[in-house]
Amino acid sequence: DAGVIQSPRHEVTEMGQEVTLRCKPISGHNSLFWYRQTMMRGLELLIYFNNNVPIDDSGMPEDRFSAKMPNASFSTLKIQPSEPRDSAVYFCASSSDGASYEQYFGPGTRLTVT
Amino acid sequence: AQSVTQLGSHVSVSEGALVLLRCNYSSSVPPYLFWYVQYPNQGLQLLLKYTSAATLVKGINGFEAEFKKSETSFHLTKPSAHMSDAAEYFCAVSRGGATNKLIFGTGTLLAVQP
Repeated sequence: DAGVIQSPRHEVTEMGQEVTLRCKPISGHNSLFWYRQTMMRGLELLIYFNNNVPIDDSGMPEDRFSAKMPNASFSTLKIQPSEPRDSAVYFCASSSDGASYEQYFGPGTRLTVT
Repeated sequence: AQSVTQLGSHVSVSEGALVLLRCNYSSSVPPYLFWYVQYPNQGLQLLLKYTSAATLVKGINGFEAEFKKSETSFHLTKPSAHMSDAAEYFCAVSRGGATNKLIFGTGTLLAVQP
């Protein structure tokens, strides 16, 4: 069974450009989480969805960040415009209600904004 | 509110020595507790979980953790460290229920010396 799939694995872009990160959760999972990991701030929860509905976006740093989940098998995290301080590894994770709530993480997207 | 404290951001052990990584939690309800491992340039992988069944939980790669309610602890141990155990380890707590957010600790980087 495929795990959480993220693309791209690496992204290098210039300041001011739009960046879109993609995630495919594990089939049958109905919760999806976006995290950001940096050396300075550690692992931060940005937003999470349950049944495709955003439940908590309090971790989204600012209006430049937006996330969507148009269906149960796809989500995007968009940064527009990007800034150097957005450089980080972005993880997507999914889980299933009614289980013991463990989350399964994707391999991450390493974003570098120059 | 739930929270997790990991004592020691860096732990170094010799190969073959006991590994002990400390985690204390705060939760107003019976918690679900997790340990995740992150190898360099990879996503987080579930090591083990406590979900109110047996208090001694065995996970992958020879790791285990014991839930101690009186001490609000969930320390991770392994009798004999291997070089391949070098990684960052995260403790997390979830209350389950209406939300399956995980609250992560700040992580402990384990180094294994030959």
